[in-house]
Amino acid sequence: DTAVSQTPKYLVTQMGNDKSIKCEQNLGHDTMYWYKQDSKKFLKIMFSYNNKELIINETVPNRFSPKSPDKAHLNLHINSLELGDSAVYFCASSQGGAGGWETQYFGPGTRLLVL
Amino acid sequence: EDQVTQSPEALRLQEGESSSLNCSYTVSGLRGLFWYRQDPGKGPEFLFTLYSAGEEKEKERLKATLTKKESFLHITAPKPEDSATYLCARVGAAGNKLTFGGGTRVLVKP
Repeated sequence: DTAVSQTPKYLVTQMGNDKSIKCEQNLGHDTMYWYKQDSKKFLKIMFSYNNKELIINETVPNRFSPKSPDKAHLNLHINSLELGDSAVYFCASSQGGAGGWETQYFGPGTRLLVL
Repeated sequence: EDQVTQSPEALRLQEGESSSLNCSYTVSGLRGLFWYRQDPGKGPEFLFTLYSAGEEKEKERLKATLTKKESFLHITAPKPEDSATYLCARVGAAGNKLTFGGGTRVLVKP
């Protein structure tokens, strides 16, 4: 029944490691997003994909690489993790094109802690 | 650069005590204003979308309104289950992404 799901829910890892977060949506939406929510609770967009095509790539370090194998999945791979990467990462999806005006539906988040 | 400011940062209410949350934004060319509710440990849950000044939308005890420069979320006779962080986000003139405010944490005490 879950509309937007993410795995894992929690991720604790050491600095310098490489990790991946997976996202799947069963809403039939065409556009998917990755957001980062920092300790001050600000949600900031990182990437968006429309039908597997990268649309938005905000000022995000090259260590972050999104991959969309199909329009229902958007994964986030992070290389050489740093302390500052600790945050909650949310996946979201929306219908239609990559316009931000479509209602976005969020996943439950992945809590990443880098030690 | 688009900026969205929410006030107050936190709000403590007694059950039944109505109040309003503010969301203000810089730059003209608003193409949409969204309100979301976020419970601790969960993802944001969609509440409302407003597109033009003067527009209003209601859902249970919540009512969202929009002017040219700000939006309000009115909570009427709140209940403890309305306790959450309320986020607003605007779609900028480029129309390709949401810019979120920092949220208002609402605590409703019985």
